[in-house]
Amino acid sequence: EPEVTQTPSHQVTQMGQEVILHCVPISNHLYFYWYRQILGQKVEFLVSFYNNEISEKSEIFDDQFSVERPDGSNFTLKIRSTKLEDSAMYFCASSTAGSGRIDTQYFGPGTRLTVL
Amino acid sequence: AQTVTQSQPEMSVQEAETVTLSCTYDTSESDYYLFWYKQPPSRQMILVIRQEAYKQQNATENRFSVNFQKAAKSFSLKISDSQLGDAAMYFCAYSPLGSARQLTFGSGTQLTVLP
Repeated sequence: EPEVTQTPSHQVTQMGQEVILHCVPISNHLYFYWYRQILGQKVEFLVSFYNNEISEKSEIFDDQFSVERPDGSNFTLKIRSTKLEDSAMYFCASSTAGSGRIDTQYFGPGTRLTVL
Repeated sequence: AQTVTQSQPEMSVQEAETVTLSCTYDTSESDYYLFWYKQPPSRQMILVIRQEAYKQQNATENRFSVNFQKAAKSFSLKISDSQLGDAAMYFCAYSPLGSARQLTFGSGTQLTVLP
């Protein structure tokens, strides 16, 4: 069964450094998402992406964040200058809504980002 | 803005018994989607079940079923014949109609299954 994959599984970085989190969505999906979950808290939406454009973004997704689909398979989240409070699990998700079907988001296993 | 509330931070159930997890939500929309996701200790988010608000029939997936009460804005998850592998954090989530729309999650219910 196809699945969303994410790399790396764990990323440790120094405050102020740039990080790029990688995702490979399910191959026939058209819509892509990033969420984050700070330890012990609820999952929060960051951004959705379709047709090479951001569809929606939350207040969390400020100028420090960017997303890109550099080729036909990868979807990346870049944090330009990491802060301590960016430490969290970052989930990528993808979806596709065929005719008459619920647009269901399928999640990857997550990347744990630790900012020191 | 939509909100999702899970009022039970923790629940426990004996193996082979039935447990119901509660979820309420707030929206002004008439059509939308609702989901339950499971997050085991690995922290992967796994889809359990989904419901379209315009469908009155409650969704079922094997041992998992929902009780969807649209007027009350309630969407509870029933797990029958609980198994040790069902132990996880369960999140209720809401999505507006359409694609590329954000999921709004509740705070989760930690389910323990007792042998």
